[in-house]
Amino acid sequence: NAGVTQTPKFRVLKTGQSMTLLCAQDMNHEYMYWYRQDPGMGLRLIHYSVGEGTTAKGEVPDGYNVSRLKKQNFLLGLESAAPSQTSVYFCASSTIRQDGLEAFFGQGTRLTVV
Amino acid sequence: AQSVTQLDSQVPVFEEAPVELRCNYSSSVSVYLFWYVQYPNQGLQLLLKYLSGSTLVKGINGFEAEFNKSQTSFHLRKPSVHISDTAEYFCAVLYSSASKIIFGSGTRLSIRP
Repeated sequence: NAGVTQTPKFRVLKTGQSMTLLCAQDMNHEYMYWYRQDPGMGLRLIHYSVGEGTTAKGEVPDGYNVSRLKKQNFLLGLESAAPSQTSVYFCASSTIRQDGLEAFFGQGTRLTVV
Repeated sequence: AQSVTQLDSQVPVFEEAPVELRCNYSSSVSVYLFWYVQYPNQGLQLLLKYLSGSTLVKGINGFEAEFNKSQTSFHLRKPSVHISDTAEYFCAVLYSSASKIIFGSGTRLSIRP
């Protein structure tokens, strides 16, 4: 998973608190993604970005906001955390080159909302 | 809507037996296909990917997958599994028209000695 760094790796929040997860990549990838992983449901796309300054909703966007002010960073925000947002969050980045496709994932952030 | 379906949530097999993990995706003009493996309490590791060319793709750890455009499938196979293959396997599809990577719900592979 070289090149994609997520911070923090673990966090416990109280219901109603806010927080921001940071995803940083140093590979100059155009596309970045935020997923959540829950047992039996695989990875579900929350939001994604196809370039600096652009974001789009994924499969499960409610309760989350994102920003891509710089190409290398993709921030995921929870304005008012709920227990249903307890999950493992993965960030990814990708690009399509002439010689193929690259896609890399971060190591994940384990978030618990109590 | 774009979607990826992994038909089996769990697949138990005996050690040294062959295994096939199934993946189907909703049809699209241009897709890129992946299989990832996740070992307990770890992140995602790329097993293999299909971009273009030969429909049979070989990956790490002896796994291979075959892209079937007419059936919109990308099934993962291994001729002889090992205890160390116990993990959860995810199929993923990048729909290039939307630049989204969508995952299946995962298949948990358990190996019995």
